[in-house]
Amino acid sequence: SQELEQSPQSLIVQEGKNLTINCTSSKTLYGLYWYKQKYGEGLIFLMMLQKGGEEKSHEKITAKLDEKKQQSSLHITASQPSHAGIYLCGADDTGNQFYFGTGTSLTVIP
Amino acid sequence: NAGVTQTPKFQVLKTGQSMTLQCAQDMNHEYMSWYRQDPGMGLRLIHYSVGAGITDQGEVPNGYNVSRSTTEDFPLRLLSAAPSQTSVYFCASSYSITYGYTFGSGTRLTVV
Repeated sequence: SQELEQSPQSLIVQEGKNLTINCTSSKTLYGLYWYKQKYGEGLIFLMMLQKGGEEKSHEKITAKLDEKKQQSSLHITASQPSHAGIYLCGADDTGNQFYFGTGTSLTVIP
Repeated sequence: NAGVTQTPKFQVLKTGQSMTLQCAQDMNHEYMSWYRQDPGMGLRLIHYSVGAGITDQGEVPNGYNVSRSTTEDFPLRLLSAAPSQTSVYFCASSYSITYGYTFGSGTRLTVV
């Protein structure tokens, strides 16, 4: 089965600071998804990356897929309290099975 | 191997039928939740539980019931299946809401 490792497991940053979350796969990534969740709420789809070197941005969040390294990174610029939550990466192995990382808990201190 | 086990992996139902999706974890996690994933909509929370005997509704609870009689099991019941419930369902568990999640492999449900 495909495994996704996320790092760090938790992150506490001061408002205004930049941060990066990594997601590493044990197998080739055909589709990599990033989600965000707040307590008691459904996961919010952020973006999907499909090709090596692809980079997408959503407001102050940028994600990049490095297919050669089987890794994706999520970068938040000038973090705000609204960015706090749990970030999950998920992957599609083309077998109609989805796999998810364990998540990264982000706290932003005002 | 320790983890979250979901059964069945695939299921086809006729409109109006009822069924239960099973979810079990052996990690002694208190927090368990059910999600559905639909194309273009991402994952949405159906119900969640913060411990045995405690459940609460998520974002899209209508048409689904849950119970948590033990720490290990968190079944999801469809009372009267509708085509709108065709989706992929994921069960997840966690030590706590701020800890990492462990997801099951999913159940692909088709309602015809």
